[in-house]
Amino acid sequence: AQSVTQLGSHVSVSEGALVLLRCNYSSSVPPYLFWYVQYPNQGLQLLLKYTSAATLVKGINGFEAEFKKSETSFHLTKPSAHMSDAAEYFCAVGDEKLTFGTGTRLTIIP
Amino acid sequence: DAGVIQSPRHEVTEMGQEVTLRCKPISGHDYLFWYRQTMMRGLELLIYFNNNVPIDDSGMPEDRFSAKMPNASFSTLKIQPSEPRDSAVYFCASSFEGGQGWSTEAFFGQGTRLTVV
Repeated sequence: AQSVTQLGSHVSVSEGALVLLRCNYSSSVPPYLFWYVQYPNQGLQLLLKYTSAATLVKGINGFEAEFKKSETSFHLTKPSAHMSDAAEYFCAVGDEKLTFGTGTRLTIIP
Repeated sequence: DAGVIQSPRHEVTEMGQEVTLRCKPISGHDYLFWYRQTMMRGLELLIYFNNNVPIDDSGMPEDRFSAKMPNASFSTLKIQPSEPRDSAVYFCASSFEGGQGWSTEAFFGQGTRLTVV
């Protein structure tokens, strides 16, 4: 069975600082990996997805993620945090159906 | 397209009552998913359909929960009778098979916040 583990349920960074949200996956086959963002009282919105075309994936709002098979990781990064990035972020794995991680709440410190 | 549409956005009901949540997927999408989100359990897949046929309902917590998809543009999730522990946000999502063995992403609705008192 495929699964993902998100390290850190809460992450706080200062405005302008690097954002790093961690995700490790478990899959017996090459996985499809996704990062979603959820703003308060909203549904989930896709940030980016990995489908084996390229290991470095660029998404919306300046986010990117790098697929590292040797580390079974798919960490999400953004060079400079904005206040508007405050939200909950979910890593997910799957093809026909998605299995989500437990989420990481990102807080931006002014 | 208006995206995935769920109704109602909020539902407050008394324990023992029947609750019906509704979802209209994005036109042309052939997969539909029902998820439940709680603080304790995170996002759980309850059931999903492909071409209106239920494929996997192993996430449905109890027989009190049932889901139907009578046509490509409508699905319901019903809880009968409802209990306080069913209080959660229920999301509907839809997607389509991208072909060549890889998947497109799931598009989520705004969710229905259910409170059972």
